[in-house]
Amino acid sequence: GAVVSQHPSWVICKSGTSVKIECRSLDFQATTMFWYRQFPKQSLMLMATSNEGSKATYEQGVEKDKFLINHASLTLSTLTVTSAHPEDSSFYICSARVVQKDNEQFFGPGTRLTVL
Amino acid sequence: TQLLEQSPQFLSIQEGENLTVYCNSSSVFSSLQWYRQEPGEGPVLLVTVVTGGEVKKLKRLTFQFGDARKDSSLHITAAQPGDTGLYLCGGYNKLIFGAGTRLAVHP
Repeated sequence: GAVVSQHPSWVICKSGTSVKIECRSLDFQATTMFWYRQFPKQSLMLMATSNEGSKATYEQGVEKDKFLINHASLTLSTLTVTSAHPEDSSFYICSARVVQKDNEQFFGPGTRLTVL
Repeated sequence: TQLLEQSPQFLSIQEGENLTVYCNSSSVFSSLQWYRQEPGEGPVLLVTVVTGGEVKKLKRLTFQFGDARKDSSLHITAAQPGDTGLYLCGGYNKLIFGAGTRLAVHP
């Protein structure tokens, strides 16, 4: 149980375009999901907390207008990178919190975004 | 802002050696989790520690949570090449991560 999927697993896009990444909890409902970004050989940096049915809470320094988060259902959160630039190239990972399992978080496999 | 410091950041050892990774903070955490991450994949949860002073064992891995719930350690006994990876500690209240320890175990 507690499987989280992400789609796509990798994406290459041109500078200036927008990219949407999906995060799904497959066998449980997640009222809270989290989006992280990881640059090569670095740790995970929390970008935002996504709450079902409400606005996401962004960490300091993360542009909410650039990284649009929607959590429309208990099993799906989406991150849209708008007007992507090469510096947005990174590994984006989502996680979902399982209330029934002592608030443990389970991570998706990640999405590698490359902006040309 | 809660910060987690992990040390060492890099560790290269021979198969069979023991090692300890440390995770320290000035903040108190309600719980702390250890993850291992392989390249190109998401982190996989190894253990959650909740109670101050708690010790948990997972085969050759021993995890300890400090009495004050500000620090934790991961000890690996007789490391194997399969232990190679990025080890991350993450602290709650909202899950933030330390910089990670990149472990390489050579046969």
